[in-house]
Formats: sequence, structure tokens, C-alpha cells
Amino acid sequence: GENVEQHPSTLSVQEGDSAVIKCTYSDSASNYFPWYKQELGKRPQLIIDIRSNVGEKKDQRIAVTLNKTAKHFSLHITETQPEDSAVYFCAASVGGSTLGRLYFGRGTQLTVWP
Amino acid sequence: DAGVTQSPTHLIKTRGQQVTLRCSPKSGHDTVSWYQQALGQGPQFIFQYYEEEERQRGNFPDRFSGHQFPNYSSELNVNALLLGDSALYLCASRPAGVGHSPLHFGNGTRLTVT
Repeated sequence: GENVEQHPSTLSVQEGDSAVIKCTYSDSASNYFPWYKQELGKRPQLIIDIRSNVGEKKDQRIAVTLNKTAKHFSLHITETQPEDSAVYFCAASVGGSTLGRLYFGRGTQLTVWP
Repeated sequence: DAGVTQSPTHLIKTRGQQVTLRCSPKSGHDTVSWYQQALGQGPQFIFQYYEEEERQRGNFPDRFSGHQFPNYSSELNVNALLLGDSALYLCASRPAGVGHSPLHFGNGTRLTVT
């Protein structure tokens, strides 16, 4: 099955700096890559996603890049704020089925210091 | 518009007991998935229900079973509980016929097995 690796496991940045989280996947059939933010005690919430026919996607301070050849994708957060502090999970979905399961990475604890 | 709702929020059980967790999907969603999230880990796929049938299953033993009702709500049952079953159990829903539509998660049920 698919295997998603995520790095780093923890990341500390100063407010206003950028943060980058990287993920790799193993199955070349994966074609959907969402990122979720999970605050302590709360549900994972989708913050951005990208499909395999797109190389980059931006939404305000958040961007995701995808390199299908190398099988890796990254989350970029610019101008970080303390409220960005949370655990971030990358995930990959195999195949074209609308019922596809998600394979998650182990998460990155992001801490933004004021 | 109510999102994904889960009950109960917390549960404490003893080894060997059985437990039932409940989930109501987001309005307009007909596909329900269950994930297990151990402390400090990413969510792990348990299984997925659509049209009242189990459509996909992750690497979980038969002690884990489920059901989907005609109103799309779902139950997760775990028999013969082990200490290792202690985790946050997340329910997620999506509409079935809409490409790679994002998964919407509930707040989860925190299960503690003693």
C-alpha cells in the first residue's frame, strides 16, 4: 500500500518567518494530496489540497507544491502567526475513485513564537 | 449546516469489553469513513461505508466492525477491547459523486481502555 513520510516532526519559527513541511509518497498512482491542520483537542481541518495535474496551488499565506517525478509535495506557510501553531498532516489518496482512502503522514508540530 | 457529529466525546472501557461509537455525516454527504488516531500519530484508515456496505478496509482486525444506516449515519463497533485500542476515533464524510471531494472530519471520540 501507499506510504507517506513527513518531515520534520517538529518545527519552531519566529512570527513572520516562513515554515516548510515536506512529504514523500511511494505509490505513483496517488493523485490527490490534502493538508490538514489539527489544533489540540480539535478535529483535523483541511487547509489546502492539490491534484496531480497541478504543480502548485496558493491560498493567501499557504501554498502547496507537488513534484510527481520525485513523488514529493510540500506545504509552505509565509508570514507565520501564533495562531498557525498546530499539528499539520499531509496525506495522499490512491487512484481515481471518489471513495479513495487517505494515507496520512505522522504529522508536524509547528510552533510559532511571538 | 451541521458538520460531522460524533458521540460520545469521551469513553472509558475495560479490557475485553465492547464499544459502539456513532457518527452522523455532514448534510449532503453519503460516504462515511472511520480513522483511528493514536497519540502523536496521523490518522489510520479503518474502513469506509457507502450505500450501507463496507467498501474499503484498512489493516485492522475483525474485532473492528461497522454499519451504515439508510440515513447515512454510521456506527463503529470494537469487540474484545485491548489496551492498544486506546485512541481518538475520527469519523469523516464526503459526497460520493464529486471527484476527489475533501474529507470532513468530526471532533472524534476519545476512547480509553484500562
